[in-house]
Amino acid sequence: KAGVTQTPRYLIKTRGQQVTLSCSPISGHRSVSWYQQTPGQGLQFLFEYFSETQRNKGNFPGRFSGRQFSNSRSEMNVSTLELGDSALYLCASSLATGQVNFNQPQHFGDGTRLSIL
Amino acid sequence: AQRVTQPEKLLSVFKGAPVELKCNYSYSGSPELFWYVQYSRQRLQLLLRHISRESIKGFTADLNKGETSFHLKKPFAQEEDSAMYYCALSRGAQKLVFGQGTRLTINP
Repeated sequence: KAGVTQTPRYLIKTRGQQVTLSCSPISGHRSVSWYQQTPGQGLQFLFEYFSETQRNKGNFPGRFSGRQFSNSRSEMNVSTLELGDSALYLCASSLATGQVNFNQPQHFGDGTRLSIL
Repeated sequence: AQRVTQPEKLLSVFKGAPVELKCNYSYSGSPELFWYVQYSRQRLQLLLRHISRESIKGFTADLNKGETSFHLKKPFAQEEDSAMYYCALSRGAQKLVFGQGTRLTINP
C-alpha cells in the first residue's frame, strides 16, 4: 500500500504570494491532518479534515486554510505569505472515522518544505 | 491547555546501556499518549502508543497518570536506535500535540 504522498517536496515563494500544498492519503484513509514544523515551535497542528469537512482546527491565522475532496485528497493554502511561514508542512492520514478514535494512529508523509524569501 | 514536555533536547548513551527518554504532559482528562520516531532521512512514524501496552523494537512506555509522565525506555540501546523521538498527546480527536523532541544518539 502506498504511503502518504505530498507534493511538491520543495517550494520557494516570496512574501505576499500564496501557495497551495497537496496531500494524497493512504488508500482507504478518510481523515487527513496537517502540521507545521519549525525549529522554534516544533510540530504544531493546523487542521484536520474528514469527509470533506474540517473537524478540528489549531491556533493559526485565517491565512491558513484547507480543503478535502471526495477522494480524500487534501490541499492546504497559505495566503499573503510571511517570512515566518517558512517551515516543513506535514500531512498525516488515518483510518479515523468518528470523533473519538483511540485506535487509529496517524501516518505521515515526507512533507513539503516551504521557503519564503 | 494541553502540553507535552520533553526536557532533554539531546541524549547520548553508549551501545548496550539503558535508555530513558522523558515525557511529561499536562491535560485534565484522559489522554492518549504516543511516541513517534524519525530516523535519518525517513518520515515520522509511530513507535508505540500507551493503549497497546506493547514493546516495539525493545522499547516500552508506561503511562503514569499520577506523575503525568510517559517515559520511553529500552534496557539495552542499539546503534540503530539513533533518531529523533517525539512524545505526543491526543484526546481522541485526530489532533496530536507534540513535544519538542529528543535527539537520541547511540555511541558505539
